[in-house]
Amino acid sequence: SQQGEEDPQALSIQEGENATMNCSYKTSINNLQWYRQNSGRGLVHLILIRSNEREKHSGRLRVTLDTSKKSSSLLITASRAADTASYFCATDEEETSGSRLTFGEGTQLTVNP
Amino acid sequence: GAVVSQHPSRVICKSGTSVKIECRSLDFQATTMFWYRQFPKQSLMLMATSNEGSKATYEQGVEKDKFLINHASLTLSTLTVTSAHPEDSSFYICSAKRRGLWSSYNSPLHFGNGTRLTVT
Repeated sequence: SQQGEEDPQALSIQEGENATMNCSYKTSINNLQWYRQNSGRGLVHLILIRSNEREKHSGRLRVTLDTSKKSSSLLITASRAADTASYFCATDEEETSGSRLTFGEGTQLTVNP
Repeated sequence: GAVVSQHPSRVICKSGTSVKIECRSLDFQATTMFWYRQFPKQSLMLMATSNEGSKATYEQGVEKDKFLINHASLTLSTLTVTSAHPEDSSFYICSAKRRGLWSSYNSPLHFGNGTRLTVT
């Protein structure tokens, strides 16, 4: 079953604006990962944040993790048209300990030029 | 590095035939490969976990006799959809976990580009 819930389901912004996507989960985790998927393609790993980390940056990406609220957010700053894609969070649950990831429902981001 | 090649990217087949999809890790060894199915505008649903040299572990509701998985080497896993029906039409994606990382549960997955299967 998919434990991750993401919101919004769809987000449309203008180039240059920031995009924030949220993910909530239900169980204890080892880490939480964010992936990007262009239409009709596989997923590309963006960033991994461990359960003992609260914030992580990679280029224009900023990820936060609040294990007390079981939630994470992905912020894309200064968005570009090329950022248009679906973004998924995925949790590596303690119970399954690295043997599988559980994906959220995804956020479809559209960045208008 | 960490490239996963999935082939074919698209396949159209007639109802009742079987289709084989290959997933190869090109520049690393993968102890574990995962097979997912994705319907339009939906998330990835894990179908099965494939470990090299052992039988695949299937998720609840996935028919193992219909979706045959073989992980014969550390770089290759195959998914065969047997006696395909139109309802099997979907996007199938494989991913691989790299062997040998010190902390395997804090490592990302590497995905193939998916296979669009259409059964007519």
